[in-house]
Amino acid sequence: AQRVTQPEKLLSVFKGAPVELKCNYSYSGSPELFWYVQYSRQRLQLLLRHISRESIKGFTADLNKGETSFHLKKPFAQEEDSAMYYCALRRPGNTGKLIFGQGTTLQVKP
Amino acid sequence: EAGVTQFPSHSVIEKGQTVTLRCDPISGHDNLYWYRRVMGKEIKFLLHFVKESKQDESGMPNNRFLAERTGGTYSTLKVQPAELEDSGVYFCASSRPPGVYNEQFFGPGTRLTVL
Repeated sequence: AQRVTQPEKLLSVFKGAPVELKCNYSYSGSPELFWYVQYSRQRLQLLLRHISRESIKGFTADLNKGETSFHLKKPFAQEEDSAMYYCALRRPGNTGKLIFGQGTTLQVKP
Repeated sequence: EAGVTQFPSHSVIEKGQTVTLRCDPISGHDNLYWYRRVMGKEIKFLLHFVKESKQDESGMPNNRFLAERTGGTYSTLKVQPAELEDSGVYFCASSRPPGVYNEQFFGPGTRLTVL
């Protein structure tokens, strides 16, 4: 069965420190991977997807098929990055439903 | 463009009562999804509509849950009778046609509390 695991419930760093939010998945084929973010009192929104290979708000994520990982990274965290981050998987050719991880709360301290 | 809207934002009901949640997708979005997050757990898929048809309802927990999308516009999710374990945040999302590989835009969610 498809599964997404985010091992950290909470990640707390100081402003300016590097950030890595971990995401591992189980899927036998080639999934689509996403990172969604929910800022305080805002709705869930797409941050980035692996097929785009882009950097959004300084965040990047590389799909590592060998390690079945899709970790989210940012070299220098900002206070405004504090939010809940969800890794999600979608099977190609599926109905488009997203399978989410448990989420990681990122807290960036001043 | 208006985003996905959900009503109500909060609902507190007693066990055994009925609650109906509503979702209005972004205009022109054929795909509509329901998800829920039970406290302390991950966001889980419930079902997917394409226009008025149920494409995938594999995530519906049991027959106390009934989803409809009349005319392919807004959708309702009814829980009858509600149980304590139904408490959580119910999210709706929509995406454009024609395929399913488009970005899903989420609503603000409805927080349901069953006492």
